[in-house]
Amino acid sequence: EAGVVQSPRYKIIEKKQPVAFWCNPISGHNTLYWYRQNLGQGPELLIRYENEEAVDDSQLPKDRFSAERLKGVDSTLKIQPAELGDSAVYLCASSPGIAGVSEQYFGPGTRLTVT
Amino acid sequence: AQTVTQSQPEMSVQEAETVTLSCTYDTSESDYYLFWYKQPPSRQMILVIRQEAYKQQNATENRFSVNFQKAAKSFSLKISDSQLGDAAMYFCAYRSPGSGANNLFFGTGTRLTVIP
Repeated sequence: EAGVVQSPRYKIIEKKQPVAFWCNPISGHNTLYWYRQNLGQGPELLIRYENEEAVDDSQLPKDRFSAERLKGVDSTLKIQPAELGDSAVYLCASSPGIAGVSEQYFGPGTRLTVT
Repeated sequence: AQTVTQSQPEMSVQEAETVTLSCTYDTSESDYYLFWYKQPPSRQMILVIRQEAYKQQNATENRFSVNFQKAAKSFSLKISDSQLGDAAMYFCAYRSPGSGANNLFFGTGTRLTVIP
């Protein structure tokens, strides 16, 4: 079974530039999560999708961050424009979506460096 | 909001020895789930073990076991017969039950070094 796929693995950009991250969840997983992990910290949820619907985006900085999950499969997270403080690892995870029993499976993440 | 605290930024253990990583959490809920995740340098979070709060029996997965103290809101991870491959960041995480509450709340992590 293929795991959660993320690309790119690394990205270096200058501040004020746009950047996008892509995630392909495990086949059949209805729930998709985007987390941000700052250096020396645990991951923090940015947005959660149930199929194509964003059901929790309360922690997403909507002035510069956007996300989409067309057709309820792949997802893209975008930052425009990027700021120095956006440097972090962006993790994508998916789960079957069965409440109470579903484990979250994580991808390898994208390490973003904003200079 | 739930908070998860890991008070040990770094721990080390001799190969083949036993080490315990600490975790405490704060919640007003009576039912919830607790997890330990391992994050090696590859950055991929790997589930090590999980505990349902309604279960009194401590979870065990091979060399990994937990000491779940619900009243004290404590959830420590014990790694027995430590191996070089156990070296990683370990994160404790909390999750509420229910279909609308699948979000994980993570602690700040403990970096485990295994000494050959």
